[in-house]
Amino acid sequence: NAGVTQTPKFQVLKTGQSMTLQCAQDMNHNSMYWYRQDPGMGLRLIYYSASEGTTDKGEVPNGYNVSRLNKREFSLRLESAAPSQTSVYFCASSDGGITDTQYFGPGTRLTVL
Amino acid sequence: AQSVSQHNHHVILSEAASLELGCNYSYGGTVNLFWYVQYPGQHLQLLLKYFSGDPLVKGIKGFEAEFIKSKFSFNLRKPSVQWSDTAEYFCAVNGKGGGNKLTFGTGTQLKVEL
Repeated sequence: NAGVTQTPKFQVLKTGQSMTLQCAQDMNHNSMYWYRQDPGMGLRLIYYSASEGTTDKGEVPNGYNVSRLNKREFSLRLESAAPSQTSVYFCASSDGGITDTQYFGPGTRLTVL
Repeated sequence: AQSVSQHNHHVILSEAASLELGCNYSYGGTVNLFWYVQYPGQHLQLLLKYFSGDPLVKGIKGFEAEFIKSKFSFNLRKPSVQWSDTAEYFCAVNGKGGGNKLTFGTGTQLKVEL
């Protein structure tokens, strides 16, 4: 039982390049989330998916797109990377029930030059 | 909209000292409250959570937190910290009726010195 997994762990991009961050969970959770973590700013929600087939914007969605591929997988895409997107990205999942505790992946450290 | 404020950005303590980290939230309705911990180089892990019932919540590794509704607070405490408690601590709130979205505070970096 791996929980929440993310690939890659590290990535360096040049401005304007595109890439997709992958996330998968094996806990049969309904809801999945993408956050970015920046020093002094905590975690901010980029996008989330309350259930398979649905996605919604979070606090900082500009410059990102997401795909809920199936119940297990939720990907985050940067179409044209910018230096302001240098950050650590965390994926999380939750059962969406009354307790709704989110479980986090190990993160992807992205640098945009 | 919900928001979370953590007052202490950096805290330095000696081993065996007592810890209290402040957390205040803003939300007009019923809330779920969480404390997460992030050890150096690792992902976030749940320390404890409050949903209902006893406002004093006990979590892992000897941590506890008290929900005081009248003060909109959920402070984290530990009677005696250890060097291994060095980490960043995040308070988070999920307002019921606000969907499944968590709002995090900016975090408190705790350093415990030997």
